[in-house]
Amino acid sequence: ETGVTQTPRHLVMGMTNKKSLKCEQHLGHNAMYWYKQSAKKPLELMFVYNFKEQTENNSVPSRFSPECPNSSHLFLHLHTLQPEDSALYLCASSPAGERSSIRFFGPGTRLTVL
Amino acid sequence: AQKVTQAQTEISVVEKEDVTLDCVYETRDTTYYLFWYKQPPSGELVFLIRRNSFDEQNEISGRYSWNFQKSTSSFNFTITASQVVDSAVYFCALSLDNYGQNFVFGPGTRLSVLP
Repeated sequence: ETGVTQTPRHLVMGMTNKKSLKCEQHLGHNAMYWYKQSAKKPLELMFVYNFKEQTENNSVPSRFSPECPNSSHLFLHLHTLQPEDSALYLCASSPAGERSSIRFFGPGTRLTVL
Repeated sequence: AQKVTQAQTEISVVEKEDVTLDCVYETRDTTYYLFWYKQPPSGELVFLIRRNSFDEQNEISGRYSWNFQKSTSSFNFTITASQVVDSAVYFCALSLDNYGQNFVFGPGTRLSVLP
């Protein structure tokens, strides 16, 4: 089951820039997530939204700001990032019902902070 | 706390060989789900299988098979007659609930299938 898209696929930004990552799903899923995947570290859950309401904020620095305007779209606003924030940022979504425990992932945004 | 261990960091096999990826999990809960995901070089995590804690039946899907053993807290993944397209990082994961943060990924095993 595919259908989670992310833009841009690659992003290079300076430490003083402001940028946003976008995630979109038209699968009818009601939960959406942001994950961070760094080299040599396990996948880290950053934020969870369920029916547009943020239900988890996993101690993420305030320079990462999520936004979920509706159940199909999820944004991650970035400002004054650090080089250690360079990583693959993955968006995922989950359906309601019996398959709600399954995360379906997008292709990710490869972020490089200079 | 929940934990997933994938002791094999990297495995290399030659095409057509069988390969087993190990996954050991830890949880005190009696109800949980186990997963395998594949991450090819393109980056997207592809869902392969979900198994709930009450279903210990092994599963086969084409060249893929999964062996769930609660007695050893293991959920191993075997690829039969491997192909170059199987080259990827494979993640085992454990979930206690549906939407929350009790969803833990293992560190992954990088599989390289050589022609």
